[in-house]
Amino acid sequence: EPEVTQTPSHQVTQMGQEVILRCVPISNHLYFYWYRQILGQKVEFLVSFYNNEISEKSEIFDDQFSVERPDGSNFTLKIRSTKLEDSAMYFCATIKGTGDGYTFGSGTRLTVV
Amino acid sequence: GESVGLHLPTLSVQEGDNSIINCAYSNSASDYFIWYKQESGKGPQFIIDIRSNMDKRQGQRVTVLLNKTVKHLSLQIAATQPGDSAVYFCAENPGTYKYIFGTGTRLKVLA
Repeated sequence: EPEVTQTPSHQVTQMGQEVILRCVPISNHLYFYWYRQILGQKVEFLVSFYNNEISEKSEIFDDQFSVERPDGSNFTLKIRSTKLEDSAMYFCATIKGTGDGYTFGSGTRLTVV
Repeated sequence: GESVGLHLPTLSVQEGDNSIINCAYSNSASDYFIWYKQESGKGPQFIIDIRSNMDKRQGQRVTVLLNKTVKHLSLQIAATQPGDSAVYFCAENPGTYKYIFGTGTRLKVLA
């Protein structure tokens, strides 16, 4: 069964540092998403990406966040200057088309110290 | 809805019993709903979905019920097994390309 692959599985970074989280979507999927889950809380929408541009973003996705798909395969989430409250699991999700359910990656646990 | 922080609602059931997990969704325009299972340290995993033109859908050991009048979803798991222990989320699609997740319920299966 096709998978969404995320790397790294765990990243520890110092406050103020930049991090890049990587996702390899399923090859024929067209819509890509980043979600965040703070420990013990619900999964929160960050951003959706279609046709090489952001289609929607949440209040959480401020100027410190950016996404891109630089080489047509990897889909990345960059946090420019991490804060302690950015510590969370970050999930990439993709869908083939509208009306489909997500396929989630296994997540990257980001710990900001 | 507000998140409940570290104190997720918890449902404890005896192995072999049936489980019912409930979810209230927020948007009356939502037309597609999914239940996800999340095991510790893993991403959410699709269990079953239902569209708004249905009120019941059955899978293998799982049934989803939809009551649009009161904006309520439930997930029924028959003959609950230890491997069913996880956090269960409902997600609604209000006609956009993103899903809105509920708070989650932790299911604990007691041996």
